[in-house]
Amino acid sequence: GAGVSQSPRYKVAKRGQDVALRCDPISGHVSLFWYQQALGQGPEFLTYFQNEAQLDKSGLPSDRFFAERPEGSVSTLKIQRTQQEDSAVYLCASSPGRTKTYEQYFGPGTRLTVT
Amino acid sequence: AQSVSQHNHHVILSEAASLELGCNYSYGGTVNLFWYVQYPGQHLQLLLKYFSGDPLVKGIKGFEAEFIKSKFSFNLRKPSVQWSDTAEYFCAVTKTQTGANNLFFGTGTRLTVIP
Repeated sequence: GAGVSQSPRYKVAKRGQDVALRCDPISGHVSLFWYQQALGQGPEFLTYFQNEAQLDKSGLPSDRFFAERPEGSVSTLKIQRTQQEDSAVYLCASSPGRTKTYEQYFGPGTRLTVT
Repeated sequence: AQSVSQHNHHVILSEAASLELGCNYSYGGTVNLFWYVQYPGQHLQLLLKYFSGDPLVKGIKGFEAEFIKSKFSFNLRKPSVQWSDTAEYFCAVTKTQTGANNLFFGTGTRLTVIP
């Protein structure tokens, strides 16, 4: 079946530009997570949705980062006024349940390069 | 602060050699433990997980891991590696006693298996 998809797969932005990254979770999955993976590091948590509700945004590094999931399926991560330190792979994961015992299924990621 | 440590950054083995990748976490409460694998050009995918019960868990492709609570460790093992095991391996935890559902990842270990 279809897994988690993300688009675009690669994005180059000039410093100061706004970008929007899309995540299509597995159909019917309740939970959706965004992670940021810098080069040579493990993924780091950004934010978590349960259906359309953003229940945890403690990992967002600044107020330039904004995420939404208005209908409880597709999610968009927006970064305003991009900076070079935002260069990373942005991973989306979805999970069928509400608790942490459910496996998270990851997408391929969007590699963002800010020049 | 919560952290997950993977001390081996890059491991190179010949086929049929035995593998052990270290993982230690610093959180003092109860945790769920995971190993994820990322094959070249592919998504992160779950290798195995531990929630409770038998501390020796078996995963896909002949991998196993042992939870040693006293050592805060969850090391990954495989008795005989194959060339196809070449990948990046990430240890991750979730905290069971908090509301957070997100995974905390280590920095990853790159495994190269030489045919």
